[in-house]
Amino acid sequence: AQKITQTQPGMFVQEKEAVTLDCTYDTSDQSYGLFWYKQPSSGEMIFLIYQGSYDEQNATEGRYSLNFQKARKSANLVISASQLGDSAMYFCAIMDTGRRALTFGSGTRLQVQP
Amino acid sequence: EADIYQTPRYLVIGTGKKITLECSQTMGHDKMYWYQQDPGMELHLIHYSYGVNSTEKGDLSSESTVSRIRTEHFPLTLESARPSHTSQYLCASSEFGTEANYGYTFGSGTRLTVV
Repeated sequence: AQKITQTQPGMFVQEKEAVTLDCTYDTSDQSYGLFWYKQPSSGEMIFLIYQGSYDEQNATEGRYSLNFQKARKSANLVISASQLGDSAMYFCAIMDTGRRALTFGSGTRLQVQP
Repeated sequence: EADIYQTPRYLVIGTGKKITLECSQTMGHDKMYWYQQDPGMELHLIHYSYGVNSTEKGDLSSESTVSRIRTEHFPLTLESARPSHTSQYLCASSEFGTEANYGYTFGSGTRLTVV
């Protein structure tokens, strides 16, 4: 069974600053994928970034980067130069190799302040 | 432009009614999923499908049922709605081998309220 833990229910950050959202995971699979999604108040899920368990380099996508520490089973999302539009819920998820379905964490609500 | 469509976007319905939430995708994806999400909470997998005539129950027990008669269509049905079914229902699809690049594509969701 897979499990994702996000310990920060809410985070505040000043506009233009960087912020790190924490995610730890538990899995018995040797091969797995880690995802981050953004959910604005409108409710849709927006794919941000992916990290494969065998990827040696941390994933980056524009202002998003993933700090992947396999030994610690953590996959933290770093958002650089925060913008007001970044205010949303952020979910970390893991894909199991059997069902290839996503298991989500409880999310972190990020609020960017001007 | 969304490639996965959910209707209705909002639904308020009385207890005991039968409802069907529609989900259609135009990407030809084999795998489709239904997630249930209470406001501000995590998403729970309730059903998934690997392709036509394939349906499986997810991690969260649900009184809903699904069908997959066509690749593009994955409707969810509640035979008798109850207030405990009030939630947001999100449909998603994916293609094996492309998840790393595109993730799972989600619909806009259906917000169901049973009164």
